[in-house]
Amino acid sequence: EVQLVESGGGLVQPGGSLRLSCAASGFTFSNYWMSWVRQAPGKGLEWVARIKQDGSQKYYVDSVKGRFTISRDNAKNSLYLQMNSLRAEDTAVYYCAKGGYLWFDPWGQGTLVTVSS
Amino acid sequence: QSALTQPPSASGSPGQSVTISCTGTSSDVGGYSYVSWYQQHPGKAPKVMIYEVSKRPSGVPDRFSGSKSGNTASLTVSGLQAEDEGDYYCSSYAGSNNLVFGGGTKLTVL
Repeated sequence: EVQLVESGGGLVQPGGSLRLSCAASGFTFSNYWMSWVRQAPGKGLEWVARIKQDGSQKYYVDSVKGRFTISRDNAKNSLYLQMNSLRAEDTAVYYCAKGGYLWFDPWGQGTLVTVSS
Repeated sequence: QSALTQPPSASGSPGQSVTISCTGTSSDVGGYSYVSWYQQHPGKAPKVMIYEVSKRPSGVPDRFSGSKSGNTASLTVSGLQAEDEGDYYCSSYAGSNNLVFGGGTKLTVL
């Protein structure tokens, strides 16, 4: 069974940092683009970042460029999102998803990031 | 890129059909055959119901169908069931490795 399990969310003060992780299983992780998608409370979905199979290409939504870094460790079947200089508007559930820019399937259960003082 | 436009709500009675629209531009929906639809129940992760405009992943009931005409894509749910209630989001490839989502539609089964 294909499974994605996120971790690392929590409460952080504005300007702080968090590192999200996503553990993948049930498929050949190194064969797929992977993405992070977020959903602010009561709002819609927003693609955040994606990374190519070998990590050689990375793309970000404009609002997080320079602050967030996506990475992966294919040996550990893991995806990461390093989030720095966090702002209140970054508060959201962050989902890890298999896929790049065509469709996402499946999605993890999500991890909540709350940026507040 | 701007978000795709979806109606905020839709509804239907059990057994009826309902169609949700997703309007974009020639730079996204109209320009590519890469529209997908996601179902999200409260507190749950989104689940893909349709990809590449009209293809259904394994396990998705054939009551769900997708289509596209010009810059507007549509998701039709036939034979509505109570478990179909939830939020539905469309997305489309928008060129240059970009993807854009719609604002979401809350489907209510009356």
